[in-house]
Amino acid sequence: DTAVSQTPKYLVTQMGNDKSIKCEQNLGHDTMYWYKQDSKKFLKIMFSYNNKELIINETVPNRFSPKSPDKAHLNLHINSLELGDSAVYFCASSLEGTGASYEQYFGPGTRLTVT
Amino acid sequence: AQSVTQLGSHVSVSEGALVLLRCNYSSSVPPYLFWYVQYPNQGLQLLLKYTTGATLVKGINGFEAEFKKSETSFHLTKPSAHMSDAAEYFCAVTTRSGYSTLTFGKGTMLLVSP
Repeated sequence: DTAVSQTPKYLVTQMGNDKSIKCEQNLGHDTMYWYKQDSKKFLKIMFSYNNKELIINETVPNRFSPKSPDKAHLNLHINSLELGDSAVYFCASSLEGTGASYEQYFGPGTRLTVT
Repeated sequence: AQSVTQLGSHVSVSEGALVLLRCNYSSSVPPYLFWYVQYPNQGLQLLLKYTTGATLVKGINGFEAEFKKSETSFHLTKPSAHMSDAAEYFCAVTTRSGYSTLTFGKGTMLLVSP
């Protein structure tokens, strides 16, 4: 009954590979996000989807492509992985429509290591 | 544009001592403010939030924070630290102009010694 779940929790891969991270929320929220946390613990928004529509796309290389098949799922596909992509990626969700509560709920994170 | 400054990347306290983690924000419109806690190798957990209304907000685990508009601050406090409070704490701000993008501070690691 985890609220926001991500798979996998750990991902170790080589440079140049393509990988995906999946996220699911069962909170009934309408907005989902991807954040990147670097080695210094700094958190930065990457993407945001509201009702499957991309609404925020920060300055992220186009090797990163999010996809939201429905309101409860947001996946992140990364092409041609680079060493600098090593980080912890967090998925989050919030309710922005009627009854908005403003806070975001975070998944446990996916630690990506590119060798 | 909005921003958050957390003073002190590390704060050390003794068990039983007062915890004070500082957060100052910058926002051109009324902000909504949050404190999150991150335990090692875990996700972020919401401690408390300020949106509107009472400026002193209480959260989980005995933490509270006070929104002070004149000082653009939202400092986090706890009267008596426990060993289990040792973690990374993040202050975050958002506004209601458009969709709520959270802008985080750089975090403060709270160290609790016996």
